[in-house]
Amino acid sequence: NAGVTQTPKFQVLKTGQSMTLQCAQDMNHEYMSWYRQDPGMGLRLIHYSVGAGITDQGEVPNGYNVSRSTTEDFPLRLLSAAPSQTSVYFCASSLTRGASREKLFFGSGTQLSVL
Amino acid sequence: AQKITQTQPGMFVQEKEAVTLDCTYDTSDPSYGLFWYKQPSSGEMIFLIYQGSYDQQNATEGRYSLNFQKARKSANLVISASQLGDSAMYFCAMREPGNRLAFGKGNQVVVIP
Repeated sequence: NAGVTQTPKFQVLKTGQSMTLQCAQDMNHEYMSWYRQDPGMGLRLIHYSVGAGITDQGEVPNGYNVSRSTTEDFPLRLLSAAPSQTSVYFCASSLTRGASREKLFFGSGTQLSVL
Repeated sequence: AQKITQTQPGMFVQEKEAVTLDCTYDTSDPSYGLFWYKQPSSGEMIFLIYQGSYDQQNATEGRYSLNFQKARKSANLVISASQLGDSAMYFCAMREPGNRLAFGKGNQVVVIP
């Protein structure tokens, strides 16, 4: 079982560059999400999706775009990278779109540095 | 408003001793789930334990137990017989129906031999 796969694991960007963080899950999960983790801030939700074709904003969506064309994939796009987007990014999924008992399965994270 | 509060500073605990990590939450929904995750220095997020708001008994998973005090909106994690491998950051999280998982800021635990 691959679970939730994130690529790349590390990335360095220059200010203004764009890139896409990839996330794929093979568990047929409806719900997928992106978090960023910054020191002392815990994990903050960027965007989430409750199914193919459906996305919504989380707590810190500015500067990021997402799409969900398939159940399996949920890429996160940085349109014009800024140093404030230096962070560790986690993709996470759960089976259903939001039952309160559904735990999240996490990818291994992407460490992004924007210079 | 912050839904999950973890305010303890970094903790040092002696190997083989128990440690309690505090978590308080805020919700007006009667149905919710509470989770604890562990993040070791390698960075991955590891699910530890779950407690449902309607569960009558406190959840337990091996050396982990959750001290659930619903009226106080408290969901403290207890790790018994600490091991060196328990050194990590621990996150409390809450999920309401149809809603996202909200995380606290975490508790750092260092187990010393």
